Amino acid sequence: QKEVEQNSGPLSVPEGAIASLNCTYSDRGSQSFFWYRQYSGKSPELIMFIYSNGDKEDGRFTAQLNKASQYVSLLIRDSQPSDSATYLCAATGGSNYKLTFGKGTLLTVNP
Amino acid sequence: SQTIHQWPATLVQPVGSPLSLECTVEGTSNPNLYWYRQAAGRGLQLLFYSVGIGQISSEVPQNLSASRPQDRQFILSSKKLLLSDSGFYLCAWSSTANQPQHFGDGTRLSIL
Repeated sequence: QKEVEQNSGPLSVPEGAIASLNCTYSDRGSQSFFWYRQYSGKSPELIMFIYSNGDKEDGRFTAQLNKASQYVSLLIRDSQPSDSATYLCAATGGSNYKLTFGKGTLLTVNP
Repeated sequence: SQTIHQWPATLVQPVGSPLSLECTVEGTSNPNLYWYRQAAGRGLQLLFYSVGIGQISSEVPQNLSASRPQDRQFILSSKKLLLSDSGFYLCAWSSTANQPQHFGDGTRLSIL
């Protein structure tokens, strides 16, 4: 069974710090990886996606992918209280239409 | 730009009653469409997905069904709701497999 594992947290960081969120996946055939942010009571919002090994940066967010280690991470620089949310990691691959989601990591940024 | 609409936002239904949730997408053609459920404190569970009109794949055996009567319309239904059907129902779309999925605002369903 394909799985995506995340530390459930909560992860607590001070405002202005770097938050590091991690994710591992079991299916070596996974090709696409996504990070979603979900505020309490709201629907998931896409933050980043990454398809190739290495880093991908978008503003304060950097996604990192290491396919050999089956590891995906999300770095949030200069964390703000508004970044406090649950972050969902997801993976899909090949002709498989299914996104497999992790259960999410709760991030709290303290002012 | 593409937008996805889901309604209603909240719904309270008695056990045994029917259900119909609707989702529509604008600004794109032939999207892949998905229904998810998120139970309290749990992860996202894929219920159904569709790659075209009339094409529905079910992921989890249950008393729910889905239909896609038009290219950009996806409907989730039940003839008789169970207490266990409570949860946050999310519709999503993507342009193709492996592309990002984008979610609607969701429907919070409570069964009494």
